[in-house]
Amino acid sequence: EAGVAQSPRYKIIEKRQSVAFWCNPISGHATLYWYQQILGQGPKLLIQFQNNGVVDDSQLPKDRFSAERLKGVDSTLKIQPAKLEDSAVYLCASSLGPRTPLHFGNGTRLTVT
Amino acid sequence: TQLLEQSPQFLSIQEGENLTVYCNSSSVFSSLQWYRQEPGEGPVLLVTVVTGGEVKKLKRLTFQFGDARKDSSLHITAAQPGDTGLYLCAGGVEGAQKLVFGQGTRLTINP
Repeated sequence: EAGVAQSPRYKIIEKRQSVAFWCNPISGHATLYWYQQILGQGPKLLIQFQNNGVVDDSQLPKDRFSAERLKGVDSTLKIQPAKLEDSAVYLCASSLGPRTPLHFGNGTRLTVT
Repeated sequence: TQLLEQSPQFLSIQEGENLTVYCNSSSVFSSLQWYRQEPGEGPVLLVTVVTGGEVKKLKRLTFQFGDARKDSSLHITAAQPGDTGLYLCAGGVEGAQKLVFGQGTRLTINP
């Protein structure tokens, strides 16, 4: 089966600019996650979707981050405006359902200068 | 405050040695998963444990879930350079539909 696809792989922007990441989950996976992984740390959940509804976005900085999952398939994560501390790898994952094993994409490495 | 504490944070040993890494919490988890992550890639699932006291083996890797479902360990026998990577534990939070990750153990096996 095809894995979780993410793009772009790398992105360099200046602070206060905006950026968007895209994720295509494994076909048939109802649950989609966006994680932020800062260098040297474990992934931190930003937002979890069940189909196209939000299950958990308690750690999403909503003043600058937004995410959507139209039609319950692809998802985009946006940051506007970016800050230096947003430099991280943004990982998308999908699973058949909540707390079933996660399948991760290879992530987007964001550098904010 | 980290919900899941992994130790050690860094471990560098010689090929052929044995090692154990730990994942501890004061919270009870409905399940616990172990992932391995290599540079430039996303984490890949190794195993899921769901029952207190459960032991699972995957070739040279042995995973154990604590009796109280608050902690877990990963033991590697005769480590090989291919075992090098970031090992992450992730717990299913009781009463919630999400996984929380530890900060990881970065393992280096030297030839």
